[in-house]
Amino acid sequence: RKEVEQDPGPFNVPEGATVAFNCTYSNSASQSFFWYRQDCRKEPKLLMSVYSSGNEDGRFTAQLNRASQYISLLIRDSKLSDSATYLCVVTLNTGGFKTIFGAGTRLFVKA
Amino acid sequence: TAGITQAPTSQILAAGRSMTLRCTQDMRHNAMYWYRQDLGLGLRLIHYSNTAGTTGKGEVPDGYSVSRANTDDFPLTLASAVPSQTSVYFCASSDGGGGDNEQFFGPGTRLTVL
Repeated sequence: RKEVEQDPGPFNVPEGATVAFNCTYSNSASQSFFWYRQDCRKEPKLLMSVYSSGNEDGRFTAQLNRASQYISLLIRDSKLSDSATYLCVVTLNTGGFKTIFGAGTRLFVKA
Repeated sequence: TAGITQAPTSQILAAGRSMTLRCTQDMRHNAMYWYRQDLGLGLRLIHYSNTAGTTGKGEVPDGYSVSRANTDDFPLTLASAVPSQTSVYFCASSDGGGGDNEQFFGPGTRLTVL
């Protein structure tokens, strides 16, 4: 089992749609959680951190469920510019910090 | 501010040859990282450095070496390239090595080993 698993997609949605991505992690000692965005043939960039209380940034909402070991990303009112790959990232302390990237979920928003 | 730069942008390399991928950051970040990204596997950590003068092995270090002589530069060397090292290589940096910090990535180097 991969340490961080994501549905690879692709998710094809029309503009204005709401879309949700889930990510599961296997190590219960995981302590920090992030969503990164990666455009085609570009480098990853931080989209948002994920906190236990959940957090929102405009149209984006991230949630953490420690009991079930998953995090989610909700995008409301999708825009064409949201088309990208979304990477789930988890860090854990194993005597030194280890950062694990999921393989990503591809999103295509169509007009 | 340039942020983090990588060179070359892309390279085709004959198997058995050596090559150094360059990475420079101007953000005075303590920690730096090298990842490779392959289809379906996500980013995998090759080597990292929490501060100048120290380095550590990541998930897939075999066939690669790094050095961290100063804060800004973190070159990655392939001593004798093999086709399985064909990948996109990303360098990244963060303000600390504690895992809670945002990582800033360079634009990547696309390497093809034939």
